[in-house]
Amino acid sequence: AQSVTQPDIHITVSEGASLELRCNYSYGATPYLFWYVQSPGQGLQLLLKYFSGDTLVQGIKGFEAEFKRSQSSFNLRKPSVHWSDAAEYFCAVGTHTDKLIFGTGTRLQVFP
Amino acid sequence: DTAVSQTPKYLVTQMGNDKSIKCEQNLGHDTMYWYKQDSKKFLKIMFSYNNKELIINETVPNRFSPKSPDKAHLNLHINSLELGDSAVYFCASSLGTSGSTDTQYFGPGTRLTVL
Repeated sequence: AQSVTQPDIHITVSEGASLELRCNYSYGATPYLFWYVQSPGQGLQLLLKYFSGDTLVQGIKGFEAEFKRSQSSFNLRKPSVHWSDAAEYFCAVGTHTDKLIFGTGTRLQVFP
Repeated sequence: DTAVSQTPKYLVTQMGNDKSIKCEQNLGHDTMYWYKQDSKKFLKIMFSYNNKELIINETVPNRFSPKSPDKAHLNLHINSLELGDSAVYFCASSLGTSGSTDTQYFGPGTRLTVL
């Protein structure tokens, strides 16, 4: 069965520090992978997605993610975090039956 | 211009009542979805419609009935509300039928509280 694991429930970083949010997936075929961000009281916004090709994908707001098939991972990174990045981050895998399966999310706190 | 809108934003009601949540998208998309986010932030798909036709129907109690009057609207009606229905419900839409590859655009959510 398809699944997504985000091992870190809560991460705290200082503003200006680098960030890596982990995501591991389980899926039998080539996955479609997504990262979404949810700001407090808001809906989800797509940061980036991977379907095929270059395994390093660039997204909005300075985020990037790298697909590593050997590790079944799709970790999200940002070289320098801003206070406005504080939010909940969700990794998701898209299946060929047209539904997204989400991880449980990682809450990011940013200290000044 | 709001792409995916939901009403109401907050809904507080008693157990046993029937309530509806409305969703509209002005993106011209063909596919719309309902997701439920529980208190632990876990998001799970409930339904999807493509051009008013039901495509995905996850294991959801039949007290939940989606209705799509046209492809720009997907409403969620809930009968006999229970405490466990308290959650945030998100509507989303995507361009085509391959929802897993098309970007899904989410509404702001409706926080339902059942007392």
